[in-house]
Amino acid sequence: AQSVTQLGSHVSVSEGALVLLRCNYSSSVPPYLFWYVQYPNQGLQLLLKYTSAATLVKGINGFEAEFKKSETSFHLTKPSAHMSDAAEYFCAVSGITSNTGKLIFGQGTTLQVKP
Amino acid sequence: DTGVSQNPRHKITKRGQNVTFRCDPISEHNRLYWYRQTLGQGPEFLTYFQNEAQLEKSRLLSDRFSAERPKGSFSTLEIQRTEQGDSAMYLCASSALALTTEAFFGQGTRLTVV
Repeated sequence: AQSVTQLGSHVSVSEGALVLLRCNYSSSVPPYLFWYVQYPNQGLQLLLKYTSAATLVKGINGFEAEFKKSETSFHLTKPSAHMSDAAEYFCAVSGITSNTGKLIFGQGTTLQVKP
Repeated sequence: DTGVSQNPRHKITKRGQNVTFRCDPISEHNRLYWYRQTLGQGPEFLTYFQNEAQLEKSRLLSDRFSAERPKGSFSTLEIQRTEQGDSAMYLCASSALALTTEAFFGQGTRLTVV
């Protein structure tokens, strides 16, 4: 079955340190990939998306992600963490099982930023 | 346009009662989705509308759940005879037709069944 796996349910970094959140997908066809962020008791906000154009995708708030087909990965990075980055991050994929735009989400990674 | 709007934001209900949630999508968006998110998990797909037609339903959507989107505008999600296991955040999202466009999410309705 198609799926998304986020390695590490909790990631803790110091303010100013590199952020790396991992996402791997399983798919036999090229998918569309997304990273969303969720703050407590809020909906999801899109950080960035990959839609088969450039493999390095830049998003909002200084985040970027690189699509690596050989590794079936779409890891999210940010060079320098800020306290406001503390939130839940979800990797999602669409276009695998249907053309409805339905998203399949990973289980999420909680990012903690220490002062 | 203020984005996707969901009402109510919070709902506490007694087990066995019926509840209804409303979602107002971004006005020009043809596609509308409902997802359910339990604590510590990613959102799970429930159902999808293209305009007024409900085109896909998840197996998670038991016969106690029903969703409508009359006239292809707002949508409602009704849960009949609620159970404690229905406690979750219910998220609505909308998007344009193209697959490469992202879904925009509302702030969700948090349901607590006591």
